[in-house]
Order: sequence, then structure tokens, then C-alpha cells
Amino acid sequence: DIQLTQSPSFLSASVGDRITITCRASQGIRTSLAWYQQKPGKAPYLLIYGASTLQSQVPSRFSGRGSGTEFTLTIRSLQPEDFATYYCQQFSSSSQGFTFGPGTKVDLK
Amino acid sequence: QITLKESGPTLVKPTQTLTLTCSLSGFALGSTGVGVGWIRQPPGKALEWLAVIYWDDNKLYNPSLEREVTITQDTSTNQVVLTVTKTHPVDTATYYCARTVTNLKAFDFWGQGLLVTVSS
Repeated sequence: DIQLTQSPSFLSASVGDRITITCRASQGIRTSLAWYQQKPGKAPYLLIYGASTLQSQVPSRFSGRGSGTEFTLTIRSLQPEDFATYYCQQFSSSSQGFTFGPGTKVDLK
Repeated sequence: QITLKESGPTLVKPTQTLTLTCSLSGFALGSTGVGVGWIRQPPGKALEWLAVIYWDDNKLYNPSLEREVTITQDTSTNQVVLTVTKTHPVDTATYYCARTVTNLKAFDFWGQGLLVTVSS
């Protein structure tokens, strides 16, 4: 199975900060990586797929990079509505399916 | 407008079979490339993918699951059903269904989720 790790697990930041979350895969997954935002009591919300493609209507302050085993999600200027938990997710046809990372919680400093 | 909605029991006893239904609108299960998956989230914990079924009836399951899970679809009612057999308290979670498309390799539309508690 392909495993995903995320760092950091928790991140305290202020409005206006630039933050970066890293997701690492245990095997190469090319660019088959997505990022989600989840707020308490709500379903996850797709932000980025294909490692760097912004989903429709997602603000441009979100960006994704990477390929192979290391990926990043950057929020350029943190807004109050961005305080949430972020998950990466991979899909591999060779390993038969999807895997989610453990999550990164972003809260207000 | 694409929507998904989960339904089923909110309380099951250990060892019972859990059956959940995902009702879809705004897209057809039989459309080429479309798939529907189930993902769960125990309280306070991370997301765990369970299974996905595609338009051509191809199914994938999480190989790490300790519980037997089955996913089926009914294109006439536009519903996807997940069954979890021999449930255990660790199966207590919010269960989500979500849409995927083959070239997306991600879940772009999600249901609101259904909290299921496994307890005697």
C-alpha cells in the first residue's frame, strides 16, 4: 500500500501569513495527488487535483506543487476562512485505490 | 446541480451488518468515467477511503480494511450502496459518499455525511 505523511500535523498562523504544508508518498505517484480542506462538522472540499490544478471556484491564493513523492500546498495570504484541517489524497491504479494523509490542522495563532 | 446524500441507520449493534445508501442527483451513475466512493471519518480522526465503484461496474476496495465491505450500484435508481459486515465499535464514524471521475483521481462532490454509531 502507498502511505502518505503530512507535515506539520499542526500549524499556528496569523491572517495574512503564507503557509506551506508538505505531503510525502511512500512510493512515486507522479502527479496523482489532491488536496482537501475540511471545516468542523462539514464534508471535505476539493481544492487541488493533479498536484497543481486548482478546482473550479477555489481562490488563487491556494497553490499546489510537486510530483513523484513530495508535494506541497501553499496558501499565499491566509484568510480567516482558511483556518481548517487540510488533507492530501493519492490515487494509484497499481496499488488499487485511494489513500488519505493524516491531516494538518491550521489554527489561529 | 450535483448532490449526493447518505442515508441509513445511525445506530447499529456490534456484529450487525451496516447498509448505507448514497442517493445521487445531477449526474448519472452510468456516465462514462463517473465513479462514486465511500469515505469514513471516526470522531476526531482522519479520513479513510473504503471503496469506489465506477460506471462500468469496476470496483476497488481499501486493502487495509479489517472489515468486509461491499459496494454496489443501481443505475435505475441512481443509488450506490455500501455494506459493512460484522461491525465493531471501531466502525463508529461519519460516512461520506463522494463523486469521482477517472481522469480527476479525486473526489469533487461530497455528501453531507452520516454519523453511524456502533454500540450495544
